[in-house]
Amino acid sequence: DIQMTQSPSSLSASVGDRVTINCRASQSISINVNWYQQKPGKAPKLLIILASNLRSGVPSRFSGSGSGTDFTLTISSLQPEDFATYYCQQSYSTPPTFGQGTKVEMK
Amino acid sequence: QVQLVQSGAEVKKPGASVRVSCKASGYTFTTYYFHWVRQAPGQGLEWMGLINPGGAATTYAQKFQGRVTLTRDTSTSTVYLDLSSLTSEDTAVYYCARVASSSSVDKDFEYWGQGTLVTVSS
Repeated sequence: DIQMTQSPSSLSASVGDRVTINCRASQSISINVNWYQQKPGKAPKLLIILASNLRSGVPSRFSGSGSGTDFTLTISSLQPEDFATYYCQQSYSTPPTFGQGTKVEMK
Repeated sequence: QVQLVQSGAEVKKPGASVRVSCKASGYTFTTYYFHWVRQAPGQGLEWMGLINPGGAATTYAQKFQGRVTLTRDTSTSTVYLDLSSLTSEDTAVYYCARVASSSSVDKDFEYWGQGTLVTVSS
């Protein structure tokens, strides 16, 4: 199975900050990475597919980049509704696997 | 609009089995694969398996082989997760998720059920 490792596991930030979350795959997965946002008590929400393709309705302050083994999710200007946990997921092979999550907390 | 509505919370004793349902609406049920993902309290997301609602073919995570069964009922647009030989380690929220496209290899989980909490306790 492909392991996905996120860093950091948590971070503290303020509204307006630029936030970067990293995800590393245990082998090359081309651009087959998705990013999800999850708020407490809710199901995950798909934000980005294929490393950088924003899903419809997702604000443009979210962006993704990377290929091969290293990927990044960036929030350009953190908004109050962005405090949540973010997960990367590889869609390259079965079983699909997730990173352990990055919790974005208010500073 | 696409909706996935799951069955309610369950409390089970160790060794028992549980069935969780996921009823789909708002699209043609047989077109898109379903996956099941679980999340233990305070933990991350764990993939369990997938089912093709059209042909009923399934693939399971190795960890759950022999304990999990995914089925579907096309007459009610519902997919089911059956998990047997429960232990406290199976206490989690179980989610069904529908993929974004009709491709059989799609693993982009676009639509999710609301989750079903399964608690295993003696």
